[in-house]
Amino acid sequence: DAKTTQPNSMESNEEEPVHLPCNHSTISGTDYIHWYRQLPSQGPEYVIHGLTSNVNNRMASLAIAEDRKSSTLILHRATLRDAAVYYCILRGALSSNTGKLIFGQGTTLQVKP
Amino acid sequence: ETGVTQSPTHLIKTRGQQVTLRCSSQSGHNTVSWYQQALGQGPQFIFQYYREEENGRGNFPPRFSGLQFPNYSSELNVNALELDDSALYLCASSELGLAALNEQFFGPGTRLTVL
Repeated sequence: DAKTTQPNSMESNEEEPVHLPCNHSTISGTDYIHWYRQLPSQGPEYVIHGLTSNVNNRMASLAIAEDRKSSTLILHRATLRDAAVYYCILRGALSSNTGKLIFGQGTTLQVKP
Repeated sequence: ETGVTQSPTHLIKTRGQQVTLRCSSQSGHNTVSWYQQALGQGPQFIFQYYREEENGRGNFPPRFSGLQFPNYSSELNVNALELDDSALYLCASSELGLAALNEQFFGPGTRLTVL
């Protein structure tokens, strides 16, 4: 399974944009890039996913590099509720194990008021 | 639709005992996965069940076993508990579909402490 690399921690001020980077230099052509986050005392929750093109949803945006070796999760206006551990995960489209998510250490985001 | 629920919230056991953790999947989801999350670490995949049969397993010994029932409930059983089994246990449900696209819905977890 392809591996991802994320910074251990990041800080942001409330109502400012946050850019969370993820490196995945060994990504294969059929791997999708998924982001999950885990709020304190909760299970992880899905944030966004993409393959090649940039993606937007109500929670965040995902910017994917042209060579797909890195991606960035963008929170446009951080709130205190966005303080969480953010996980960047690769999921193979051809994987026979459909439920398996491989979590790394993730990035702990602190949001300061 | 209701979310994924787990019980109990917390549990304390002693080494060598057996434990059963329960999960109620989101209605309509035919797949449930279980994860173990040690303190300060990301969740680690234990196994997945689809239509009441195990169809994928992580690097966990056979004393970790599971059951999935037709009513969207499932169980994780751990025999011969060890101190290192102390962790947060998470279940996640989803619809079986194209692997890369099916969103996993996680429960809040059960915190197991083994003394």
